[in-house]
Amino acid sequence: DVKVTQSSRYLVKRTGEKVFLECVQDMDHENMFWYRQDPGLGLRLIYFSYDVKMKEKGDIPEGYSVSREKKERFSLILESASTNQTSMYLCASSLLSSGGLYEQFFGPGTRLTVL
Amino acid sequence: TQLLEQSPQFLSIQEGENLTVYCNSSSVFSSLQWYRQEPGEGPVLLVTVVTGGEVKKLKRLTFQFGDARKDSSLHITAAQPGDTGLYLCAGDVNTGTASKLTFGTGTRLQVTL
Repeated sequence: DVKVTQSSRYLVKRTGEKVFLECVQDMDHENMFWYRQDPGLGLRLIYFSYDVKMKEKGDIPEGYSVSREKKERFSLILESASTNQTSMYLCASSLLSSGGLYEQFFGPGTRLTVL
Repeated sequence: TQLLEQSPQFLSIQEGENLTVYCNSSSVFSSLQWYRQEPGEGPVLLVTVVTGGEVKKLKRLTFQFGDARKDSSLHITAAQPGDTGLYLCAGDVNTGTASKLTFGTGTRLQVTL
């Protein structure tokens, strides 16, 4: 059974703290993605990675960084958390393929609250 | 950023009713996907459409990709409570190094008995 796991389901942090969100996939996928989900805005891509140590900015990378040291693990880092980063964060993975004929597999999400 | 607008944003219907959800963009996509997300879980892929005008059926769900590959619709016949969830369309964007998805704004469906 394919699986994407995220380190926490719920997280509460204070403004200014450094926050790490971890994601692990067991499907040997090349691509990994971090999204944030807010009501009425759908999913917005923060960063993605198509190989170990490779990363590309998504649509809303400001205030975030990522790390991919191993193929199965993709970390999202909030260097100094702010209240406007309160959101649901979703990690996903997929095979590397052309033509868009691939499926993204999602983790259950981490609901982050920044006070 | 390419935008995908979904309508309606919310839909509350009774069991047995039919409904249609729309996904529209000014951009052309090479393919389009529909996902469903249930509370406390991540989205799960329902279907991928790749050809303009394509129609795919998945039991009571019918998906259509517009001729110009800018829009799509999802029609549910005889909705059931198990159809409740957030429906998301997503268009494929090839960056040259990888394919990534642009997600729509979402349609939250509630089906009551």
